[in-house]
Amino acid sequence: ETGVTQSPTHLIKTRGQQVTLRCSSQSGHNTVSWYQQALGQGPQFIFQYYREEENGRGNFPPRFSGLQFPNYSSELNVNALELDDSALYLCASTSRAEGGVGEQFFGPGTRLTVL
Amino acid sequence: GDSVTQMEGPVTLSEEAFLTINCTYTATGYPSLFWYVQYPGEGLQLLLKATKADDKGSNKGFEATYRKETTSFHLEKGSVQVSDSAVYFCALRVPGGYQKVTFGTGTKLQVIP
Repeated sequence: ETGVTQSPTHLIKTRGQQVTLRCSSQSGHNTVSWYQQALGQGPQFIFQYYREEENGRGNFPPRFSGLQFPNYSSELNVNALELDDSALYLCASTSRAEGGVGEQFFGPGTRLTVL
Repeated sequence: GDSVTQMEGPVTLSEEAFLTINCTYTATGYPSLFWYVQYPGEGLQLLLKATKADDKGSNKGFEATYRKETTSFHLEKGSVQVSDSAVYFCALRVPGGYQKVTFGTGTKLQVIP
């Protein structure tokens, strides 16, 4: 069974640029969540995708957007990068049966540095 | 809103010492509670969980008991090892709706030989 994978591992961008981060969910998982973890802080929920639609969002501006594909993999897009966007971005996947709640499994993260 | 408060770190212990990391929470509804561990340069790993009051989660010698009356979920280990050095996050998830996990700020544990 393949776990959650993320790419790239590290990324350096400059302020104002756009970035796309990718996540492959664990086999059999249909729900993907994204989190931002600033240095020395706990992860903060960005949004969640289920059946290719966003179905929950944290306190992040619209320049943070995402996609989920039919194979349940996902992308996180961030436009107009700001210095404060520098963080570790974590993807988590789970299997959500109707009415059920599954355990979330986290990927290793993508370290984004904005200069 | 939902929140998790855990003790400030870093915590430095000698090998074989007893570990306690305090965690309290505020939540609507009846949350599930978790402890995650993050080793240097890695993502999060679920360490243990509890889904209802008085449940005890345990794994790798770590334990935590879901205390509804004190809204707490303190992490304990009887004898820590150098390999336990990591950052520990207490977290909760409220049932229903989407599966957002709310994390504390983390407690760094350093175990010295």
